[in-house]
Amino acid sequence: GENVEQHPSTLSVQEGDSAVIKCTYSDSASNYFPWYKQELGKGPQLIIDIRSNVGEKKDQRIAVTLNKTAKHFSLHITETQPEDSAVYFCAANLQLNTGNQFYFGTGTSLTVIP
Amino acid sequence: NAGVMQNPRHLVRRRGQEARLRCSPVKGHSHVYWYRQLPEEGLKFMVYLQKENIIDESGMPKERFSAEFPKEGPSILRIQQVVRGDSAAYFCASSPRISGGYGYTFGSGTRLTVV
Repeated sequence: GENVEQHPSTLSVQEGDSAVIKCTYSDSASNYFPWYKQELGKGPQLIIDIRSNVGEKKDQRIAVTLNKTAKHFSLHITETQPEDSAVYFCAANLQLNTGNQFYFGTGTSLTVIP
Repeated sequence: NAGVMQNPRHLVRRRGQEARLRCSPVKGHSHVYWYRQLPEEGLKFMVYLQKENIIDESGMPKERFSAEFPKEGPSILRIQQVVRGDSAAYFCASSPRISGGYGYTFGSGTRLTVV
């Protein structure tokens, strides 16, 4: 199966600074890597994803990079704002004949200090 | 188009009682997944279901836990004879029946407290 590791577990940044969260995965067959944001008391929400045929994807202040050779991918948040404070989870897919199954990292608690 | 609906949002049970957690997937989604999240921890996979089939239950405790996704109606996660260690947030997610990369849609979770 897939094993996903995520670092750091906690991250504090000043408002306006950048935040970077890194993940590694073990299964070279994984080809889809979503990122989720979980606010307090809510379910995880998909914020951005990347497929293995691209190395980088950007959506406004959020970007993801993927290095297939090294089996690691990262989330970059620029110009952080207090509302970015949440727990972020990375995931990698395990492809089954019947569909996808995802394995999650252990989460990064991001705090943006005003 | 409603998202994944979970109910109840909060559930309190005494030790030894049964807990039944319900999940209605996004309309048109035929794959359902259950995850457990303990306080300050990540999402732990429990079970993957399709209509009337359990595809992977490798994350389910061998005793007291069961899950189903019937042809009609919501998916049910059932915990019998609950113990304090079962207190957690239980999240359901769904995805459409396509292969390749497609992310889950999560529900808001059921927070189970065993007293």
